[in-house]
Amino acid sequence: QSVLTQPPSASGTPGQRVNISCSGTSSNIGTNDVNWYKQLSGAAPKLLVYNNYLRPSGVPDRFSGSRSGTSASLAISGLQSEDEADYYCAAWDDSLNGVVFGGGTRLTVL
Amino acid sequence: EVQLVESGGGLVKPGGSLRLSCAASGFTFSSYSMNWVRQAPGKGLEWVSTISSSGYIHYADSVKGRFTISRDNAKNSLYLQMNSLRAEDTAVYYCARVRYSSSPSQSDPWGQGTLVTVSS
Repeated sequence: QSVLTQPPSASGTPGQRVNISCSGTSSNIGTNDVNWYKQLSGAAPKLLVYNNYLRPSGVPDRFSGSRSGTSASLAISGLQSEDEADYYCAAWDDSLNGVVFGGGTRLTVL
Repeated sequence: EVQLVESGGGLVKPGGSLRLSCAASGFTFSSYSMNWVRQAPGKGLEWVSTISSSGYIHYADSVKGRFTISRDNAKNSLYLQMNSLRAEDTAVYYCARVRYSSSPSQSDPWGQGTLVTVSS
């Protein structure tokens, strides 16, 4: 049972927009920034979005993040086949004094 | 180019010990906090431990008292000493750099991982 809650799966067709949610509590998302990771099959995770909505260099602007209250969301627009991957949200938790992850969302591009 | 290369994984019996290493290059290692994150087969990511540039340490409750994180800035290396290993510690262990002066929840980049299997 992960501290942050994500839907286990999501899907869309090429060109579509998909949203992935991440729900937490006042001790994590409610007070700390949210970060998103993308993990291709068999590969290490890669930072996709940090500080709720910022993108590291090289990440296309098709990926956007937001945070409101104790929830966050990752939006992927103009869906492409290479977006098929597992996506994880993460935040610091003040109560646990550690990093907490969501359980991950497997995105399928139909 | 920033590179993180883990080593030291393998098969170990329950109750045994293992020491993981992470060799860092391409950046000023001593200036960055570092993370260990693991992923059990077919499961999600689980944070294990963080060590700051000044040596401040955090552990996940699941490993507290059994695992020890350390760093050797002279050797640009990060370590994870794992004792009293259990079957549930079986996972790929990733070493990751924390973004400069950022929350430990911001890992970038990650190493390729090293597999630890705990089984009799």
